[in-house]
Amino acid sequence: DAGITQSPRHKVTETGTPVTLRCHQTENHRYMYWYRQDPGHGLRLIHYSYGVKDTDKGEVSDGYSVSRSKTEDFLLTLESATSSQTSVYFCAISESLFQETQYFGPGTRLLVL
Amino acid sequence: DAKTTQPPSMDCAEGRAANLPCNHSTISGNEYVYWYRQIHSQGPQYIIHGLKNNETNEMASLIITEDRKSSTLILPHATLRDTAVYYCIVRVSNTGTASKLTFGTGTRLQVTL
Repeated sequence: DAGITQSPRHKVTETGTPVTLRCHQTENHRYMYWYRQDPGHGLRLIHYSYGVKDTDKGEVSDGYSVSRSKTEDFLLTLESATSSQTSVYFCAISESLFQETQYFGPGTRLLVL
Repeated sequence: DAKTTQPPSMDCAEGRAANLPCNHSTISGNEYVYWYRQIHSQGPQYIIHGLKNNETNEMASLIITEDRKSSTLILPHATLRDTAVYYCIVRVSNTGTASKLTFGTGTRLQVTL
């Protein structure tokens, strides 16, 4: 299995508080992604990174920001958490542009009260 | 990226072959077919992908019709551990940007004794 860890694995927080989720990889892959998964929606891309300090928005980026200061770490921040951001968050990595596959982390379950 | 259609659920007896269909009638010539699965409470797992030739690896076989409008994922000897949601995804590789795998709702495969 690809070396991808996510922290925390579970978090409960209150509306209006900032939350940061961390994704750490040991594979030295260039590309990293954050997805959220909700019942009936499958997986939806939030943000992705194509290199250190290079990030771009996905389809559901409102209310989220990301940072990547090192190849191995990709942080997802909810600036002011809302109940609609209650979800399971997955980080993924991929190595190249050609016939690429993505490898996923174990996920973080976030509950915003 | 082309849209895919999958049955919402399927059952398979343990030890038998599981054949999961996917319709992608609007697929373009440069789009690949990818299959992922997600076992309950885990991150998605890459299974296999192909362009137009049939493909086989240690996990599964992928059969793509000659007109490429549909494909079938085959798990040759399903086990209880293959119970999962299976996602068929069609996308262009080497787009010049990071990959954006858009997951639909998939097929829930239940393997039974």
